[in-house]
Amino acid sequence: QVQLVQSGAEVKKPGASVKVFCKASAYTFTNSYVHWVRQALGQGLEWMGIINPSSGSISYAQKFRGRVTMTTDTSTSTVYMELNSLTFEDTGVYFCTRGFNWFDPWGQGTLVTVSS
Amino acid sequence: QSALTQPRSVSGSPGQSVTISCTGTSTDVGGYNYFAWYQHHTGKAPKLMIYDVNKRPSGVPDRFSGSKSGNTASLTISGLQAEDEADYYCCSDAGSYIWVFGGGTKLTVL
Repeated sequence: QVQLVQSGAEVKKPGASVKVFCKASAYTFTNSYVHWVRQALGQGLEWMGIINPSSGSISYAQKFRGRVTMTTDTSTSTVYMELNSLTFEDTGVYFCTRGFNWFDPWGQGTLVTVSS
Repeated sequence: QSALTQPRSVSGSPGQSVTISCTGTSTDVGGYNYFAWYQHHTGKAPKLMIYDVNKRPSGVPDRFSGSKSGNTASLTISGLQAEDEADYYCCSDAGSYIWVFGGGTKLTVL
């Protein structure tokens, strides 16, 4: 079945960067957009951005522009999300998910902990 | 882009019905029919429950239904069951390749 498998948990210091991957399987990778959504500690779901694996076109939420970069590697059906200048408030679980106007399925989530 | 407005919590007894609202503006909820609801159990991946306002993916019980009027959308869960206890999030297309979630509603089954 369609599956998105994400990279493992990360611990980073404030000011550092984190790069999370999301590997897709069981569908044509370039036929579906991928979104990134995060749940910061104690908060709700928050849409971060979308990438078109076919064209590489992207759109980021205003809150993350200038700090987030989403890329794809079509040879491995993998999407990457890099977040820079991490602060304690970036601690949370980051999800990738497939779709355009609705998101299904979701990756298992990647816990990013920002700690000094 | 501001988050959509949901009640922080709702509750109901097994067998009862509950409705969760999601209020936005004419630039998101009111402007598009690309509106979805997600169920999220802590520690698990969110699950799509409703899409395009009122459509259910395969495998989602018909106890879950969605609707929309103006700038407010609603998720109704009838015949509440213990396993329905979770956080529920609405999500709307906001145009220009931007999407926005609601703040989330914690459903407690009493």
